[in-house]
Amino acid sequence: EAGVTQFPSHSVIEKGQTVTLRCDPISGHDNLYWYRRVMGKEIKFLLHFVKESKQDESGMPNNRFLAERTGGTYSTLKVQPAELEDSGVYFCASSQVGGLTDTQYFGPGTRLTVL
Amino acid sequence: AQSVAQPEDQVNVAEGNPLTVKCTYSVSGNPYLFWYVQYPNRGLQFLLKYITGDNLVKGSYGFEAEFNKSQTSFHLKKPSALVSDSALYFCAVRDFNNNDMRFGAGTRLTVKP
Repeated sequence: EAGVTQFPSHSVIEKGQTVTLRCDPISGHDNLYWYRRVMGKEIKFLLHFVKESKQDESGMPNNRFLAERTGGTYSTLKVQPAELEDSGVYFCASSQVGGLTDTQYFGPGTRLTVL
Repeated sequence: AQSVAQPEDQVNVAEGNPLTVKCTYSVSGNPYLFWYVQYPNRGLQFLLKYITGDNLVKGSYGFEAEFNKSQTSFHLKKPSALVSDSALYFCAVRDFNNNDMRFGAGTRLTVKP
């Protein structure tokens, strides 16, 4: 069974440009999460999809970030326009049930560098 | 709101020695605690979790963690470290008040031969 995959693995862009990150969850997992780790600090929650619906987007930093999950399969996270402080590693995770005790399985992350 | 602290940025141990990676938490209700490991150029891999029941939880790769409610701790342990255990370890917590998982800043474990 394939794990969570993310694309690209690395992205280097200039301030003001747009970047789109993609996450493919484990097949059959209705729950999809986005997280971000900035500057070696803690990993922070961004948002949670259940199928195609946003269950919780309380962690999204501002309206420059837009996440979608059309069709309830893969998800994209767009940053437009990118700022320097957006640099970090963006992780995607998926889980089957979505409850508090459910295990989330993480992808390898996308390292975003904004110059 | 729940939070997690990993008081050590770096832990160094010699191969064959026992290792401990520390984690303390703060929640308003019952905690659900997790440990993940990140190897170089890889995603976070699930190691183990505490939900309820026995305070000693056994996980992957010979790791175990002990839930201590009075000390609000969930330290990760392994009796005999391997060089291949060298990686970045994250502790995380959830509780019924919040949907999101709160992570610590991570502890880099280095096991020297």
